[in-house]
Amino acid sequence: SAVISQKPSRDICQRGTSLTIQCQVDSQVTMMFWYRQQPGQSLTLIATANQGSEATYESGFVIDKFPISRPNLTFSTLTVSNMSPEDSSIYLCSVVDGYEQYFGPGTRLTVT
Amino acid sequence: GQQLNQSPQSMFIQEGEDVSMNCTSSSIFNTWLWYKQDPGEGPVLLIALYKAGELTSNGRLTAQFGITRKDSFLNISASIPSDVGIYFCAGRPQGGSEKLVFGKGTKLTVNP
Repeated sequence: SAVISQKPSRDICQRGTSLTIQCQVDSQVTMMFWYRQQPGQSLTLIATANQGSEATYESGFVIDKFPISRPNLTFSTLTVSNMSPEDSSIYLCSVVDGYEQYFGPGTRLTVT
Repeated sequence: GQQLNQSPQSMFIQEGEDVSMNCTSSSIFNTWLWYKQDPGEGPVLLIALYKAGELTSNGRLTAQFGITRKDSFLNISASIPSDVGIYFCAGRPQGGSEKLVFGKGTKLTVNP
């Protein structure tokens, strides 16, 4: 199974600033996703990170707020821009390996 | 959009008891995945199911893909304290999309 690492594991940020989260996979994968998990909630898909092209965003999420890069098949970044307290969540990177889907350890973001 | 109804929302059991939780949908799914999430961690894949009627075990865990393809259950036998966590079902709807639909989770508490 794919092994996924994320950096940072957690951060506390000021309102109005931006944070970039990195996701590294130990093998080349085609499908890579970014999810948000608000406190006590289930997982919500933000976008599909496409290698070499713009990410595909889900309803309610826009590129200006959550720009994503995917320069190759093992790495992606998600930026949370112009943060507000409502952005306080766990952000998770996820990949499909075969038919199975795996998640990274998450980045716990607190916005003050 | 498609939704998964996961129940129960929470369970409080004694160590040694068996546990059962399930997910249902009004639409057909091609894949069912069960995850466990510990506090502060990303979801960990427990069991993946790909065929209607499939019954798969992973240690004390057993999961089944419903015959109608609209439901799945997860059983945990002889629960132990480390089974504590939130269990999520997830499925890939019929239609070929790689995007998972998640249940809202079952929070399991095991009293020693």
